[in-house]
Amino acid sequence: KNEVEQSPQNLTAQEGEFITINCSYSVGISALHWLQQHPGGGIVSLFMLSSGKKKHGRLIATINIQEKHSSLHITASHPRDSAVYICAVPLYYGGSQGNLIFGKGTKLSVKP
Amino acid sequence: DTEVTQTPKHLVMGMTNKKSLKCEQHMGHRAMYWYKQKAKKPPELMFVYSYEKLSINESVPSRFSPECPNSSLLNLHLHALQPEDSALYLCASSQVGSQELFFGSGTQLSVL
Repeated sequence: KNEVEQSPQNLTAQEGEFITINCSYSVGISALHWLQQHPGGGIVSLFMLSSGKKKHGRLIATINIQEKHSSLHITASHPRDSAVYICAVPLYYGGSQGNLIFGKGTKLSVKP
Repeated sequence: DTEVTQTPKHLVMGMTNKKSLKCEQHMGHRAMYWYKQKAKKPPELMFVYSYEKLSINESVPSRFSPECPNSSLLNLHLHALQPEDSALYLCASSQVGSQELFFGSGTQLSVL
């Protein structure tokens, strides 16, 4: 059964700063998700990745399968990036879709 | 259309009420999910439907009754809820066999 650790739990940054959020998991996976949730809101899927690196606008996600570690980077951060960022992986190795275990989230606050 | 639409956005109900949450998608996804998220906690999987059949029930109390009447629609019927059931209820969908989930914006439920 997988366990997910995210760090940091809380992060405050100044607008324009480069931000890194980390995620570690304990069991092999087929894919890892990075999700974004604004206060009181639903979840937006940012990335799903199983190897290497993906980029979308100012967001970059990387994963190291051997080290069971992933990072989410935000370049030139903006106040609208303020949200909770959640890492999620399958609950069991080879587990069925949707049966995810979620990290506790990183609450990001970007100050103007 | 890449949206998962949930209604209502907010719901307040008494412990004796019967209400339903609705989730709809038109992406042709044949896997649909209900998650429950308490404040400041990560989401927890409740139910998974695959090809309109219930495939996973994560030991959810019978006061929550899911229904998938067709491939686009997922309902969650609520009856005799407790105040501790107050939470954000999230719906998601995916292609069967895919780890890429699309989330709705959720229904914020308050049980008085």
